[in-house]
Amino acid sequence: DIQMTQSPASLSASLGETVTIECLASEDIYSNLAWYQQKPGKSPQLLIYDASSLQDGVPSRFSGSESGTQYSLEINSLQSEDAATYFCQQHHDYPFTFGSGTKLEIK
Amino acid sequence: QVQLKESGPGLVQPSQTLSLTCTVSGLSLTSNSVSWIRQPPGKGLEWMGVIWSNGGTDYNSAIKSRLSISRDTSKSQVFLKMNSLQTEDTAMYFCARTGQWPGHYFDYWGQGVMVTVSS
Repeated sequence: DIQMTQSPASLSASLGETVTIECLASEDIYSNLAWYQQKPGKSPQLLIYDASSLQDGVPSRFSGSESGTQYSLEINSLQSEDAATYFCQQHHDYPFTFGSGTKLEIK
Repeated sequence: QVQLKESGPGLVQPSQTLSLTCTVSGLSLTSNSVSWIRQPPGKGLEWMGVIWSNGGTDYNSAIKSRLSISRDTSKSQVFLKMNSLQTEDTAMYFCARTGQWPGHYFDYWGQGVMVTVSS
């Protein structure tokens, strides 16, 4: 199975700041990576797919990038509604696997 | 609009079989694929398996021996059956629309159904 190592496990940032969350794939996943946002008691929502494509309706302050097997989610100009847990997911090979999640707190 | 909704028993006894239903609207199961994904309380997400638009299935090898996914296209329903449940199967169970190759990401999710395995 492809392992997705996500970091950090948690972070705290202030309104207006920029944060970056990372996922390291255990092998090449050829940009087949998605990012999700999950708020407490809710189902995950797709933010980014194919490493850097923004899902319809997602604010442009969310962006994805890659460098080799390292994938990043950047959130610019943090808003209060960005407080959530974020997960990465590789959609290259079975079984589709997720990172362990990053809990983002807004100060 | 696309909607998915899970339903099923909230409590299952150990060693019993779990049966869940995902009812979809706004999309056809003959041209869309649906996965089941679960999340133990306070933990991460585990993809369980998928039923493709052509009716074929793929499962996570970790639970493949216990899992079956099927559908009734006329009722727009996808079914999950998992046997030999244990306490570690306690989780929120989600169904989600799954993109076609290579875009096997999940763009629409149900609200989830909480399943507790306990005697």
